[in-house]
Amino acid sequence: ETGVTQTPRHLVMGMTNKKSLKCEQHLGHNAMYWYKQSAKKPLELMFVYNFKEQTENNSVPSRFSPECPNSSHLFLHLHTLQPEDSALYLCASSQGSGPDTQYFGPGTRLTVL
Amino acid sequence: GQQLNQSPQSMFIQEGEDVSMNCTSSSIFNTWLWYKQEPGEGPVLLIALYKAGELTSNGRLTAQFGITRKDSFLNISASIPSDVGIYFCAGQGEYGNKLVFGAGTILRVKS
Repeated sequence: ETGVTQTPRHLVMGMTNKKSLKCEQHLGHNAMYWYKQSAKKPLELMFVYNFKEQTENNSVPSRFSPECPNSSHLFLHLHTLQPEDSALYLCASSQGSGPDTQYFGPGTRLTVL
Repeated sequence: GQQLNQSPQSMFIQEGEDVSMNCTSSSIFNTWLWYKQEPGEGPVLLIALYKAGELTSNGRLTAQFGITRKDSFLNISASIPSDVGIYFCAGQGEYGNKLVFGAGTILRVKS
């Protein structure tokens, strides 16, 4: 039980579909993150939100669109993805200040056909 | 940009053996974190280190924040089958709350 939940856990979508990933944190944190994890590669930071404001976009293609309506919820909207976007998408949260420890959700395993 | 070199890439050890892995960087970090990830799950925080020279234990796990602030190691004593997984180090620099991750150490334990 990490306090960070993600849904769905698995998602298969076609290249023309539109879908959304959801993350919710129950830790009272102020910062939330999206990471992409592909096989045999280090975790890649995609987006950072601090107090609902996007503070980092790590050159992510526009087919990935994040949304942070409040400090507890984070979404990743997906549209016209490519097969190489298939990966494990991880959400994390942290206090957002001081020595900052990130806590991860279980991830969404995304397969793009 | 900042990079972490994590070694070894993988280890296949006998149950009961001790394990050691480390991360080094050319940059200074203010925080070192060690995570474990099991198949189909997200990384789970094992140990957090906030001060140079700090040595912290969590059960059979011990981690140290290097005195130069450019390295950290993780030791696992008396390994058991459930230690299997991928271990990641992560460092946080002086500015912002971004983490830089190592590529991971894959641990397999033979019982």
